[in-house]
Amino acid sequence: AQSVSQHNHHVILSEAASLELGCNYSYGGTVNLFWYVQYPGQHLQLLLKYFSGDPLVKGIKGFEAEFIKSKFSFNLRKPSVQWSDTAEYFCAVRREYGNKLVFGAGTILRVKS
Amino acid sequence: DTGVSQNPRHKITKRGQNVTFRCDPISEHNRLYWYRQTLGQGPEFLTYFQNEAQLEKSRLLSDRFSAERPKGSFSTLEIQRTEQGDSAMYLCASSSKWGANHNEQFFGPGTRLTVL
Repeated sequence: AQSVSQHNHHVILSEAASLELGCNYSYGGTVNLFWYVQYPGQHLQLLLKYFSGDPLVKGIKGFEAEFIKSKFSFNLRKPSVQWSDTAEYFCAVRREYGNKLVFGAGTILRVKS
Repeated sequence: DTGVSQNPRHKITKRGQNVTFRCDPISEHNRLYWYRQTLGQGPEFLTYFQNEAQLEKSRLLSDRFSAERPKGSFSTLEIQRTEQGDSAMYLCASSSKWGANHNEQFFGPGTRLTVL
């Protein structure tokens, strides 16, 4: 069975600090990878996704993620966070041509202004 | 595009009662998913519909849970004889197999269930 591990449950950063959130998955086959974000009081929204091709994926709001197949990782990065990035971030994996998403437990990011 | 909508947004019920939730997907989306999210966890997959056919069910979906999508549009999730362990956020998502965002799942706001 697939599983997703997110390394940190809570992260606190000051504005302008760099962000990296770790995500590792367990599945031996081809996968599609996603990062979702949930801002306070809002529903889950897609930040970025990786299906194939360039392993460095750029998403909305200056976020990017790098797929490293050999490490089964899909870490999320942002060079300079803003207060408005305060949210919960979820990594998710889906086996290629599959239907269900398997989510990690989430990382709560708080950005101090 | 009005997004995925779910009703009710909140439901408080007593243990042993039945509850039903509704999900209206994005209108052109033929795929619909139900997930459950408990505190401190990510969403967990419950079931998947393509049009009106229920094609995949998780082992989490006990026999007290039933989901339908009778006309391939809205879906309902019913929980019979609710237990306190059923307290969670129930999320619905939809996707289309066509277009630029094909296979991207769009989530609704969820229905928060509290079983007393």
